Amino acid sequence: AQSVTQLGSHVSVSEGALVLLRCNYSSSVPPYLFWYVQYPNQGLQLLLKYTSAATLVKGINGFEAEFKKSETSFHLTKPSAHMSDAAEYFCAVTINNNDMRFGAGTRLTVKP
Amino acid sequence: NAGVTQTPKFQVLKTGQSMTLQCAQDMNHNSMYWYRQDPGMGLRLIYYSASEGTTDKGEVPNGYNVSRLNKREFSLRLESAAPSQTSVYFCASAPRGRGGTGELFFGEGSRLTVL
Repeated sequence: AQSVTQLGSHVSVSEGALVLLRCNYSSSVPPYLFWYVQYPNQGLQLLLKYTSAATLVKGINGFEAEFKKSETSFHLTKPSAHMSDAAEYFCAVTINNNDMRFGAGTRLTVKP
Repeated sequence: NAGVTQTPKFQVLKTGQSMTLQCAQDMNHNSMYWYRQDPGMGLRLIYYSASEGTTDKGEVPNGYNVSRLNKREFSLRLESAAPSQTSVYFCASAPRGRGGTGELFFGEGSRLTVL
């Protein structure tokens, strides 16, 4: 079955430092992969998605993710963290056309 | 730009009580979904509706029922609430008949506590 694993339930970085949030997927077929962000007391909103067009995907707010088939990974990065990036981030994969499976989430804290 | 609207935002129930969570979207989307979010478990799909008039079970459907009232509205009902159903519930919608490569659009969530 297709699923995603997010490594690290909490990540803390200093403002201006690199953000790296890890996601590995398992899939028997080429997957569609997503990163969503959830700010406190809000629903999830899409950061970026991979749909096989390009392996390096750029999203909103300066985030990007690279699809690496050999490593079955889809890690999320941002060169320089901002205080406003503090949120919970979810990696997701489509199981079939009507199901999207989410990872457990990674809470990002940004220190001043 | 309302998007996906859920009501109520907060609810406290006693064990055995029933309630319905309402969801409406104004984006003319075909597909609608109900998820629950629990700490350390991400979001898990309860039920979904690929199109008006159809509903299907997701990963954790036990204890819930749904109704796709029309294209805009998709409700989730707890017939006899249990403490294990304490959670944050999210409604979502997607543009096409199949989720596929499309993103999900989420409501702001409904926080339910069952005592």
